[in-house]
Amino acid sequence: GIQVEQSPPDLILQEGANSTLRCNFSDSVNNLQWFHQNPWGQLINLFYIPSGTKQNGRLSATTVATERYSLLYISSSQTTDSGVYFCAVGRTSNTGKLIFGQGTTLQVKP
Amino acid sequence: DTAVSQTPKYLVTQMGNDKSIKCEQNLGHDTMYWYKQDSKKFLKIMFSYNNKELIINETVPNRFSPKSPDKAHLNLHINSLELGDSAVYFCASSQANEQYFGPGTRLTVT
Repeated sequence: GIQVEQSPPDLILQEGANSTLRCNFSDSVNNLQWFHQNPWGQLINLFYIPSGTKQNGRLSATTVATERYSLLYISSSQTTDSGVYFCAVGRTSNTGKLIFGQGTTLQVKP
Repeated sequence: DTAVSQTPKYLVTQMGNDKSIKCEQNLGHDTMYWYKQDSKKFLKIMFSYNNKELIINETVPNRFSPKSPDKAHLNLHINSLELGDSAVYFCASSQANEQYFGPGTRLTVT
């Protein structure tokens, strides 16, 4: 099956710093999503980005499908950005199920 | 307006009991899923239904039985609960590829 690896596993930032999270996957996919799991456990959709680049406020994401990786950029981080960031991939031909990476735990200090 | 909702949010029960978790989506999506998040935050697909038909069953014990009375609902019934069933269970739905997750149900088996 498809393998998904996220790096780094843990990240501590000072408020205001920028960061880049990476997601590598082992096979071609037609679905790639980034989620933020906040400290209350909610999984919040950040981006649906099987290819290309998207931006939403201080967050942006880029997926290079041919090279099987995606990047999530967080600029001017805030304490509310703390939590776990998950990358998940899937293929319609594989019933559409999402395969999750192990997550990057981000702590933003004030 | 809640898109994907689950009840209950918390469930504490004893080993050997039978319990159900309910999920409803008001997005008009055809496909619904159950995922399990273990104590290490790893998320894994359990089941998927498309238009009330089971399409994914990922080697989950028979004690877990999903039921979809209509395409807006996907419930999860668990028989003879075991300590290892303690986890957070997430329901999700999708129409094309992008999946939307419910708030999760934290199940604790004592």
